Amino acid sequence: GAGVSQSPSNKVTEKGKDVELRCDPISGHTALYWYRQSLGQGLEFLIYFQGNSAPDKSGLPSDRFSAERTGGSVSTLTIQRTQQEDSAVYLCASSLLRDGPYEQYFGPGTRLTVT
Amino acid sequence: GQQVMQIPQYQHVQEGEDFTTYCNSSTTLSNIQWYKQRPGGHPVFLIQLVKSGEVKKQKRLTFQFGEAKKNSSLHITATQTTDVGTYFCALTGGGNKLTFGTGTQLKVEL
Repeated sequence: GAGVSQSPSNKVTEKGKDVELRCDPISGHTALYWYRQSLGQGLEFLIYFQGNSAPDKSGLPSDRFSAERTGGSVSTLTIQRTQQEDSAVYLCASSLLRDGPYEQYFGPGTRLTVT
Repeated sequence: GQQVMQIPQYQHVQEGEDFTTYCNSSTTLSNIQWYKQRPGGHPVFLIQLVKSGEVKKQKRLTFQFGEAKKNSSLHITATQTTDVGTYFCALTGGGNKLTFGTGTQLKVEL
């Protein structure tokens, strides 16, 4: 079946602009996760959703970052007033259940470059 | 929160040589997962270890979970060029969120 998809695959934006990153999880996966991968910080957790609610937002770096999930499916990560340090690959993952542990299936990521 | 150290950071081997990466924690882990990320790709799940002293094998890959559940290792026998990539261990926390180790980048030379 279809895997996790993310769009856009690449995004170049100017400092100060807002960006939206989209994630389509595997159908039927109730849990959805956002991670960020950068050279300096490795792979870091940002936020996760169980259904449409986000019980853990502890990894969001600042209040410029927000995310939502609608219909228990698609999720959008929004970064407002982008800064150069936001440049990274943003990865989305989904899994069957919140409590597990269960393997997570990752999407191809969105490479964000802030100029 | 829990943290895990992963060593080495880089490893260059000749094709056919063995390779091992280690993850170490100061606290007892409930479980550990391993992922592989090919260059330019995304993390792909390899295995999950839950039991103390557990050993699992996948073809040339052998995964171990320490008796005290504070460390884990991934060993590859007779590496091939297809093994190239970065190997991450990961801890599962509340909500099954993953805390990744720093990763070991493996390069295999012919």
